[in-house]
Amino acid sequence: QEQLVESGGGVVQPGASLRLSCAASGFTFSSYALHWVRQPPGKGLDWVAVISVDENNKYFADSVKGRFTISRDNSKNTLYLQMNSLRVEDTAVYHCARRYLSSSGDSFDIWGQGTMVTVSS
Amino acid sequence: SYVLTQPPSVSVAPGQTATFTCGGDEIGTKSVHWYQQKPGQAPVLVVYDDSDRPSGIPERFSGSNSGNTATLTISRVEAGDEADYFCQVWDRNSVHVVFGGGTQLTVL
Repeated sequence: QEQLVESGGGVVQPGASLRLSCAASGFTFSSYALHWVRQPPGKGLDWVAVISVDENNKYFADSVKGRFTISRDNSKNTLYLQMNSLRVEDTAVYHCARRYLSSSGDSFDIWGQGTMVTVSS
Repeated sequence: SYVLTQPPSVSVAPGQTATFTCGGDEIGTKSVHWYQQKPGQAPVLVVYDDSDRPSGIPERFSGSNSGNTATLTISRVEAGDEADYFCQVWDRNSVHVVFGGGTQLTVL
C-alpha cells in the first residue's frame, strides 16, 4: 500500500526550530517529486514547498522562504522539512504529498495524514 | 501572486447536482485539480488536469475549465459527498502551487 507518514510535530515557542519527517512506503520514493502542504486549524490548504526527485530543484512559498528548507534522503525513503524561526502563523497541520505522475500539472495523488505544529508562547 | 477564488459554501439536496467554481485570471490556460477533504482526513484528489478522474473516483465527479473559471460538478449528490472541496493549480510564473480557499458542501 502506497503511504506517506509524517512525524516530528509538536508545540514550540516563537523563534524555535523543528524538523518534520515524512516516511514513504509502498512505492519507488526516488521517482517522485514531493511537496509539503499545511493547513491552519479551521482554514484552507496552504502550499509550503516542493523538492524534485534529485534535490536539484526546490521552491518555497514566499511566507516561508529563507526560514524553511526541504530535503530528502532517497536511501531512507524519507522527506524532511526543516523549519527555523517559527512564527505563530506557522501553526498548522503539515502534510507531505506526492506529485501525481499521470498528471501533466502538479497534482497530488497521495497525502499523509499530517503532523500538527503549534507555535505559541 | 496568482489567486484562486472559490465561494465559501454550496448546499444541495441528495440526488441533485452540486457545482463548484474556481475563478482565476486566464485559469483556462492552466491545469486545474480538485480535492475533497472530509473533517479530520487528508485531502483526496478527485479531478486532475481539468477533467480527468483518478482510479476509484466515481463518474459522478467531473470537471471543466475555460476562460476565467474552472468548474467541478458532482452529479446525483450523496450524503457521503459532504466535505470541503479545494481547487489547485501550478503557477509557472511564480513557480508556486496555489490553492483556492475551498468550498464547503452541505447535503441538505
